[in-house]
Parts: sequence; structure tokens; C-alpha cells
Amino acid sequence: GAVVSQHPSRVICKSGTSVKIECRSLDFQATTMFWYRQFPKQSLMLMATSNEGSKATYEQGVEKDKFLINHASLTLSTLTVTSAHPEDSSFYICSARIGGTTTTQYFGPGTRLLVL
Amino acid sequence: AQKVTQAQTEISVVEKEDVTLDCVYETRDTTYYLFWYKQPPSGELVFLIRRNSFDEQNEISGRYSWNFQKSTSSFNFTITASQVVDSAVYFCALSALNSGGSNYKLTFGKGTLLTVNP
Repeated sequence: GAVVSQHPSRVICKSGTSVKIECRSLDFQATTMFWYRQFPKQSLMLMATSNEGSKATYEQGVEKDKFLINHASLTLSTLTVTSAHPEDSSFYICSARIGGTTTTQYFGPGTRLLVL
Repeated sequence: AQKVTQAQTEISVVEKEDVTLDCVYETRDTTYYLFWYKQPPSGELVFLIRRNSFDEQNEISGRYSWNFQKSTSSFNFTITASQVVDSAVYFCALSALNSGGSNYKLTFGKGTLLTVNP
């Protein structure tokens, strides 16, 4: 149980294009989903927290107009990197929390983004 | 503010050796949760364990064991008889009810890269 999927697993795009990454909870409803970014050999950096049906909460220093997050249902959240640039190349990971008092986050397999 | 320190950046052992990964945390909250995640080369984070601040019982799961000591603010992870498949980055994380807000945000340590050589 508690499986989270991400799509695509890898994406290569040209500078200036937008890229959408999907995060799905497959066997549970996720009231809260989180988006992280991880640079090589570094820890995870939380970008934003999204709750179903409301606007995402972004961490300090993360541009909300560049990283658009939509949490349209209890099983799907999307991250759109708008007008991507080479410095946006990174490993993006989502996680989902079941809700209530459950604190455990279950992570997706991640998406490797390379912007040329 | 909350903080997680994993002082060991990299550890290398030979198969069948026991290895302990250290984790020290800081929080002002009295209610908090501690986690260990494994990140193999594929990149996906695998949940290993969650421990709440009111439960100091140590836990064993197969070759894995965890030692939670509130007195030293530590939550160490031991792998017994390590195997090559244990090679991964291991992250310790903390979620505090008040600091993290109602969304239970996680604060991660920097991770420890464990390499188990045959």
C-alpha cells in the first residue's frame, strides 16, 4: 500500500519550454502533497506544499509563477516548470501524506529534468 | 526551528559487517516524529520507519534496528550483516507538529552515503 507514482520519469526539453510533472497517489487519497527538488549528492529541498482544492504554499525563495502547482483531486498533483532554463535541471520528487494525524510521507520515484 | 544532523557523509564497509548511521535532531516541540528513508541509486525514497517522540522503544525489523534516545536527541540506525543491496543514501528526517505546521513538513538531514563492498 501507499504507492505514489510520478510521470514522466525523465524529460529533456529545450530552454524556454514548459514541462508538466504529474504525481499520483495510487492506492490512497492524499490530502497533502509535497514537491521537492534534489541536486546531485545533496539533500531534498522542499519547494511547496499543496492541499487538495486550495492554493499551494511555497517555501521561501521558490518562485510560484515559475513552479505552478495544481492539486485538483485527492490523488493528483501537478508541477509545471514554466519557461524552463538550464538552471532548472534537477531531480524533482513528490510525496503524499494520507491525512488526518498520519505524518508519514510516501515518495514518488522522481523525475529527472534536463533543460538544454 | 528544527534541524537534523547526519555527521557521516559517506561510509564504506565490507559485506557482512554491521554499520550504524548516526542522526541527531533539534526541535523545541515536545511532539515530533522521526523518520528514516533509503534512497537507492534509482532515486526513489523508500520509507523505512517512523517513530514518535513519546515512544522510545527501540525497534528491530530483520537486519535493521533503530535506537531512539531522547536524552541525547539521537535516532541512530543500525544495519546488521550488511549486504551489497544496502548500498544507498540514507536520510534521517524530522516532523514537528508545531514547527512543521498542520501539514507536517519534513526536515531532512544531508544524508549518509553507504557503500557496501562485496
